[in-house]
Amino acid sequence: QQPVQSPQAVILREGEDAVINCSSSKALYSVHWYRQKHGEAPVFLMILLKGGEQKGHEKISASFNEKKQQSSLYLTASQLSYSGTYFCGTEIIGGSYGKLTFGQGTILTVHP
Amino acid sequence: KAGVTQTPRYLIKTRGQQVTLSCSPISGHRSVSWYQQTPGQGLQFLFEYFSETQRNKGNFPGRFSGRQFSNSRSEMNVSTLELGDSALYLCASSDYFSYNEKLFFGSGTQLSVL
Repeated sequence: QQPVQSPQAVILREGEDAVINCSSSKALYSVHWYRQKHGEAPVFLMILLKGGEQKGHEKISASFNEKKQQSSLYLTASQLSYSGTYFCGTEIIGGSYGKLTFGQGTILTVHP
Repeated sequence: KAGVTQTPRYLIKTRGQQVTLSCSPISGHRSVSWYQQTPGQGLQFLFEYFSETQRNKGNFPGRFSGRQFSNSRSEMNVSTLELGDSALYLCASSDYFSYNEKLFFGSGTQLSVL
């Protein structure tokens, strides 16, 4: 039950905004967001929990719609450093600890 | 604290061989997860170990196995390698991996099967 991310790729100019969505067919405990730059390890951005509030990290924030089992990652006033592949990871209610299922990734490219 | 360390960084094997990859988690972390990353497939969950016990396993054939030692270091083994096993294998550690714990990833082992 891999979550579905959309879009698959985004191309921006510096200063533009982007939204990346992550949808699950299962009820979720949590949604994790990670960013991976080319040739590097994925790096944690934030976790959104069931019943929790919208999270923010500088100009990157995210929300979790429990009714739709969907999370959205918002990147505002994008910078060159935001380029990379963004993955959402989900933990399913009724699943066991220790299993994070990732989406296929969204490639974000920011041009000067 | 040192980060998650994976060795080796690169591996080249031929079909039919077996391979062992190593992962040293962040000091104090007890959970180690393994993922296979291929272009277009994202991160596919292999298995997760906590305190030497496998808590979860993904949908991979039995040729993929792993273990965790008492010091939390983990190894994964792939036997009878196939061309399709070529991928970046990532491990990630966490203190107690549950719904509110983030993962720390290593840089991965790039496996090429010829």
